[in-house]
Amino acid sequence: DADVTQTPRNRITKTGKRIMLECSQTKGHDRMYWYRQDPGLGLRLIYYSFDVKDINKGEISDGYSVSRQAQAKFSLSLESAIPNQTALYFCATSDSRGEQFFGPGTRLTVL
Amino acid sequence: AQSVTQLDSQVPVFEEAPVELRCNYSSSVSVYLFWYVQYPNQGLQLLLKYLSGSTLVKGINGFEAEFNKSQTSFHLRKPSVHISDTAEYFCAVSDGGLTGGGNKLTFGTGTQLKVEL
Repeated sequence: DADVTQTPRNRITKTGKRIMLECSQTKGHDRMYWYRQDPGLGLRLIYYSFDVKDINKGEISDGYSVSRQAQAKFSLSLESAIPNQTALYFCATSDSRGEQFFGPGTRLTVL
Repeated sequence: AQSVTQLDSQVPVFEEAPVELRCNYSSSVSVYLFWYVQYPNQGLQLLLKYLSGSTLVKGINGFEAEFNKSQTSFHLRKPSVHISDTAEYFCAVSDGGLTGGGNKLTFGTGTQLKVEL
């Protein structure tokens, strides 16, 4: 079984809809991250969490929110989706030295 | 603040030829450095990492990278590429938490390696 799983893997939605992307991990790491990937821009950090009570904004947090339900679960929400949030979204976990382990990604399309 | 520059957005190369993917970084503190690979329609997979010690780091699939502190570089090399190496490669840097912001990764914009017959 994969160490980091993401659901759904693909999602098409309409402008204005609320969307939740879910991430679960079995690596036992405290640190979890959400990124978005856009062609030519690499990965940009949306939010990160170093433990259940710790949530931090990344470089592009506007329009997104997160919830850390447990050590193993970290969800990303788009409260009112817009077309420029169409992207590939990755969840990751890390150990104390920063090596990150990535999920398979969620491809989100906002029409 | 940290930053990573991957100057080459695309690198075409013939099979069995050598390849070098360039990565330069900037940071005010000591860093940890990583190369990740992303195959089509997949997530990111760690190729290799530099945390400390020897500046020449060997990774999976025959790749290696050399940490050069004076030139703030961490270039990725492979002496002979295969068709299956076609993928996007990302360089990333972490400060190891030394700047108080935790050990977040800062990624470069990626280099698409295309291996041709």
